[in-house]
Amino acid sequence: KNEVEQSPQNLTAQEGEFITINCSYSVGISALHWLQQHPGGGIVSLFMLSSGKKKHGRLIATINIQEKHSSLHITASHPRDSAVYICAVENYGGSQGNLIFGKGTKLSVKP
Amino acid sequence: DAGITQSPRHKVTETGTPVTLRCHQTENHRYMYWYRQDPGHGLRLIHYSYGVKDTDKGEVSDGYSVSRSKTEDFLLTLESATSSQTSVYFCAIGGGAQETQYFGPGTRLLVL
Repeated sequence: KNEVEQSPQNLTAQEGEFITINCSYSVGISALHWLQQHPGGGIVSLFMLSSGKKKHGRLIATINIQEKHSSLHITASHPRDSAVYICAVENYGGSQGNLIFGKGTKLSVKP
Repeated sequence: DAGITQSPRHKVTETGTPVTLRCHQTENHRYMYWYRQDPGHGLRLIHYSYGVKDTDKGEVSDGYSVSRSKTEDFLLTLESATSSQTSVYFCAIGGGAQETQYFGPGTRLLVL
């Protein structure tokens, strides 16, 4: 069983829809990261969080440490949001920032 | 952009040949990481560095070695490339635990 599981694997939405991507993990963590990989391959960090909720523009990330679960929400989705979204966790107690990655959720937003 | 480059960006090589990939940063981050990305596996850590001459193994280090002689450069070497090392390789830089990581553009390696 993978230590970091994402769902769904693939997601197709219509422009304007509210989108939720889920991430569950089985290890104790010190932080959780959400990353976005563009169709061209580049990877950018969206959020790093260890508790609560963070918001940036139309993106919202939440984490429930007790339930070992995080969600990434996209409000008013747009075709430019089409990308692979990757969840990654840092093991609790590590100092190096080493990440364990989920396999990603491929999002396609249709106009 | 976080000032991180990778070279080469694409490489085709033959089984058994040595290959070195370079990661260069201009941000003076202490930590540098090498990952590989494969379909069905996602990103996996190969090696990381926490300072000049300080490196350690990651999840999939077999067949790879690294060196960091300067803060800005982190080299990944495949001593004798195999077809199973065909992959996309990403370098990342960061400040360590609970810090954002910044990724390079990636290197596509094909081992024939």
